[in-house]
Amino acid sequence: NAGVTQTPKFQVLKTGQSMTLQCAQDMNHNSMYWYRQDPGMGLRLIYYSASEGTTDKGEVPNGYNVSRLNKREFSLRLESAAPSQTSVYFCASRVSRLNTEAFFGQGTRLTVV
Amino acid sequence: SQQGEEDPQALSIQEGENATMNCSYKTSINNLQWYRQNSGRGLVHLILIRSNEREKHSGRLRVTLDTSKKSSSLLITASRAADTASYFCATDGASGTYKYIFGTGTRLKVLA
Repeated sequence: NAGVTQTPKFQVLKTGQSMTLQCAQDMNHNSMYWYRQDPGMGLRLIYYSASEGTTDKGEVPNGYNVSRLNKREFSLRLESAAPSQTSVYFCASRVSRLNTEAFFGQGTRLTVV
Repeated sequence: SQQGEEDPQALSIQEGENATMNCSYKTSINNLQWYRQNSGRGLVHLILIRSNEREKHSGRLRVTLDTSKKSSSLLITASRAADTASYFCATDGASGTYKYIFGTGTRLKVLA
């Protein structure tokens, strides 16, 4: 049982390049989330998907897009990367909204130069 | 801005001592959860407390919740070097939103 799998684990981009971060969960969870973590800032919610077919903005959505491809997969796209998007990105999933814990992937360390 | 803010930002204690960290949040909640993160890895769930609960225990962990003050505390008793990590609180809003917001975290260092 793999849990939440993120790919890639590390990535270096040049300013202006685009890329997609992939996230897949095998726990049949309904809700999925993308966070970024910067030093001293904790985790900030970028986008979330309450259930298959729905996505909503979180706290810091600018510069990102998401796709809930199916129940298992939730991808995060940077259309034109900027140095300010250098961060560690975490994907998480949970069964539903109420009273359930979130399970996290191991993170993607992204550097934009 | 983030829903939760932990206090203190960093804490250093000796092995065997108790560690207390606090979380304050801004809006009404349905529940509050605490997570642990080791050295930049993914977060791991520790404990959940519902809005109608005031205290909860799990092993060496004790969590309290004061909804009137919009605050929670996490107590780790008899700390061990292996407890060295960052600790975060997370909240589900009570309004029906699916947003799941984390606090800024407390970095705990337990010295052997």
